Amino acid sequence: GDSVTQMEGPVTLSEEAFLTINCTYTATGYPSLFWYVQYPGEGLQLLLKATKADDKGSNKGFEATYRKETTSFHLEKGSVQVSDSAVYFCALKTGGFKTIFGAGTRLFVKA
Amino acid sequence: DAGVTQSPTHLIKTRGQHVTLRCSPISGHKSVSWYQQVLGQGPQFIFQYYEKEERGRGNFPDRFSARQFPNYSSELNVNALLLGDSALYLCASSLETGTSHGYTFGSGTRLTVV
Repeated sequence: GDSVTQMEGPVTLSEEAFLTINCTYTATGYPSLFWYVQYPGEGLQLLLKATKADDKGSNKGFEATYRKETTSFHLEKGSVQVSDSAVYFCALKTGGFKTIFGAGTRLFVKA
Repeated sequence: DAGVTQSPTHLIKTRGQHVTLRCSPISGHKSVSWYQQVLGQGPQFIFQYYEKEERGRGNFPDRFSARQFPNYSSELNVNALLLGDSALYLCASSLETGTSHGYTFGSGTRLTVV
């Protein structure tokens, strides 16, 4: 079945460091890919998305490119801030009614 | 505009009891989905409703049921609660059900079964 695999956390970085969170997927058909972020005590927020191969999603300095050849959708940010500390979820959606989430990667950013 | 609102925010129930969770989607959103998030894991799909009809169901037992009302709000019901039902229950709304549409999530209902 369809699945999403994310790198295990926690990831701990110093402020202004470069961030990469790896995400690979397995899917039949042509999924859309998403990154969601969850801050403590809150629900998930849609961070960015890409709906077809080679699309790049971007928002708030975060980017991810839909790579069909490597079935990947890695999240990157050039310079993280303390306020980026959260749990990040990679997700895919096929068929229109269900989104499959990865297990999440916790990011800690130190001042 | 109000976001997705869920009630209650926290709930403690005893094994064997029944619980009803409520969700109001963003105004104009016709699709509501329910997810269960166990601590330390990603959300797991329970149901999707669109225009008051069930469009999809995840791998959950029949103790779980839901419905959507004419104003697009939704209820999730869980009967005969088990300790393993303790989780954060998230409601997500979207304008449409298509593959390219992401969700707007509520802050969730934290259910603790004792």
